[in-house]
Amino acid sequence: GAVVSQHPSWVICKSGTSVKIECRSLDFQATTMFWYRQFPKQSLMLMATSNEGSKATYEQGVEKDKFLINHASLTLSTLTVTSAHPEDSSFYICSATRDPEAFFGQGTRLTVV
Amino acid sequence: RKEVEQDPGPFNVPEGATVAFNCTYSNSASQSFFWYRQDCRKEPKLLMSVYSSGNEDGRFTAQLNRASQYISLLIRDSKLSDSATYLCVVNRAAGNKLTFGGGTRVLVKP
Repeated sequence: GAVVSQHPSWVICKSGTSVKIECRSLDFQATTMFWYRQFPKQSLMLMATSNEGSKATYEQGVEKDKFLINHASLTLSTLTVTSAHPEDSSFYICSATRDPEAFFGQGTRLTVV
Repeated sequence: RKEVEQDPGPFNVPEGATVAFNCTYSNSASQSFFWYRQDCRKEPKLLMSVYSSGNEDGRFTAQLNRASQYISLLIRDSKLSDSATYLCVVNRAAGNKLTFGGGTRVLVKP
């Protein structure tokens, strides 16, 4: 069964609105989770590292004010895409590591219209 | 130069044939190496870890060459279901932060 659960699996939203994506680790605690974005025919690009109880660490070029990350518990991290625009349309995937393997959520396909 | 590089393919493989491809990495301090499989519009799933001694899992064989900084994946007796994108993944020295290659697309045809 799934080790990491991500919700929703797909979402369509209007330009200018915000969208929240949840990532949960099942049956294990994850002090660190990772958020990735994948554009068509491209590989996964790390956006940020979500740290339980502290601020997320963002990769270069990722706007922290646009992609808000909250990791309030050891099993839940959320990514909120604020003021979404069509160029934010992408496949967003979270992951958590249960040594030695990294497990991925099912991904969220975001379409901004 | 990208930290992890792969030939994007596609590799068109006749069913039953053998296919092999490599991945190079630039960070000599990298500690862990993996091959993940990703089907279209799905999340990546671990195919196998890669060890210095080389390891085999059924029809799949993975090799690590630290001196030349590359890893390889070989698929024997290819099945139609092997069609997917294979992602080379490297774990940086600390923090379990994974770096993904661009993926190698494999198409197995009857």
